[in-house]
Amino acid sequence: DAKTTQPTSMDCAEGRAANLPCNHSTISGNEYVYWYRQIHSQGPQYIIHGLKNNETNEMASLIITEDRKSSTLILPHATLRDTAVYYCIVRVGGGNEKLTFGTGTRLTIIP
Amino acid sequence: DTEVTQTPKHLVMGMTNKKSLKCEQHMGHRAMYWYKQKAKKPPELMFVYSYEKLSINESVPSRFSPECPNSSLLNLHLHALQPEDSALYLCASSQDRLGNTEAFFGQGTRLTVV
Repeated sequence: DAKTTQPTSMDCAEGRAANLPCNHSTISGNEYVYWYRQIHSQGPQYIIHGLKNNETNEMASLIITEDRKSSTLILPHATLRDTAVYYCIVRVGGGNEKLTFGTGTRLTIIP
Repeated sequence: DTEVTQTPKHLVMGMTNKKSLKCEQHMGHRAMYWYKQKAKKPPELMFVYSYEKLSINESVPSRFSPECPNSSLLNLHLHALQPEDSALYLCASSQDRLGNTEAFFGQGTRLTVV
């Protein structure tokens, strides 16, 4: 699976959009971009994933650049409950069971 | 039901004890995972079961022994652990082993080895 690079930490004001970047410059054509988050002392929670098109669900939006070398997770209206470590993961589609976590971004929502 | 249930939530065990961690899901998922997470570190993959067969062992010491008795259950048997094995142990499941399916995680078992 391709390696990902994320900022170690970020702050965002409550009510504003939180934009979390992820670099995956060695991504292959069959690799998906996944985002998970982990709130303190809880299990990781799936947020969203995509291959090449932008995706949106009730939690967030995922914007993938045209060359697929980077992506941005957008939490449109951050709340204090969004404070967590956010992991960007690249995962091969088709027969690969591995989900390998990088170091992630610690996002702190400021009141 | 999108829940993965892990028991117990907390476990303290001595280095000579034998204990087991249990994980259960009723989503019909055919891939199940064990992860280990040390404080302030990301989860590290230990084992993957696919269709009730062990498909990945990430060079985990033999004092950790996984078992998948059926498609809904995953156990992790612990024996002769060391204090450095103290960690949060996470179980996860996904629909199958293909890359286009999300994994659901349990809340973990916090293990302390004394």
